Amino acid sequence: AQSVTQLDSHVSVSEGTPVLLRCNYSSSYSPSLFWYVQHPNKGLQLLLKYTSAATLVKGINGFEAEFKKSETSFHLTKPSAHMSDAAEYFCVVSDGGNTGKLIFGQGTTLQVKP
Amino acid sequence: NAGVTQTPKFRVLKTGQSMTLLCAQDMNHEYMYWYRQDPGMGLRLIHYSVGEGTTAKGEVPDGYNVSRLKKQNFLLGLESAAPSQTSVYFCASSQTPRVGRYEQYFGPGTRLTVT
Repeated sequence: AQSVTQLDSHVSVSEGTPVLLRCNYSSSYSPSLFWYVQHPNKGLQLLLKYTSAATLVKGINGFEAEFKKSETSFHLTKPSAHMSDAAEYFCVVSDGGNTGKLIFGQGTTLQVKP
Repeated sequence: NAGVTQTPKFRVLKTGQSMTLLCAQDMNHEYMYWYRQDPGMGLRLIHYSVGEGTTAKGEVPDGYNVSRLKKQNFLLGLESAAPSQTSVYFCASSQTPRVGRYEQYFGPGTRLTVT
């Protein structure tokens, strides 16, 4: 069965410093992986996705993630945090079937300090 | 192009009352999903639909029913609300899944409180 683990429930950074949100996955096949962002009291927005093409994936707002099969990881990074990046981030894996179901991690809250 | 919309945005129910949440999408997507979001638990799938007239159970279906009479709409019903159903409910839709096309598009959510 597919699963995903976000290694930090809360990450705090200063504005202008790098962001690293960690995600490990478990999958019996080559998965599709996603990062979604949820700003306070809003719906979820797709940041980026990996679908077996390039292992380094670029997303919106300067975020990127690297798929590392040997480490079963899909960590999200950004070189320089902005105050508007403060939100909850979800690492997500597809279940691989024809139902399109997604399996969500528990979420990481990113705090950005001025 | 509104994407995925949800009605209502907020609702307070008393235990035992019933209600229906409406999800609508204008992207001609085949697949639609209902999730609930609780603190520290991510999103959990309640029910989903792979096309008009079809529904299936997800991870946490108990206490909920759904219907997909029209392709663009997906209704979530609570027949007898319980305090454990206090949550934020999200609807999502996607194209027919195939390699590279699993991403789902989410509505803004409905915050439900059951007292």
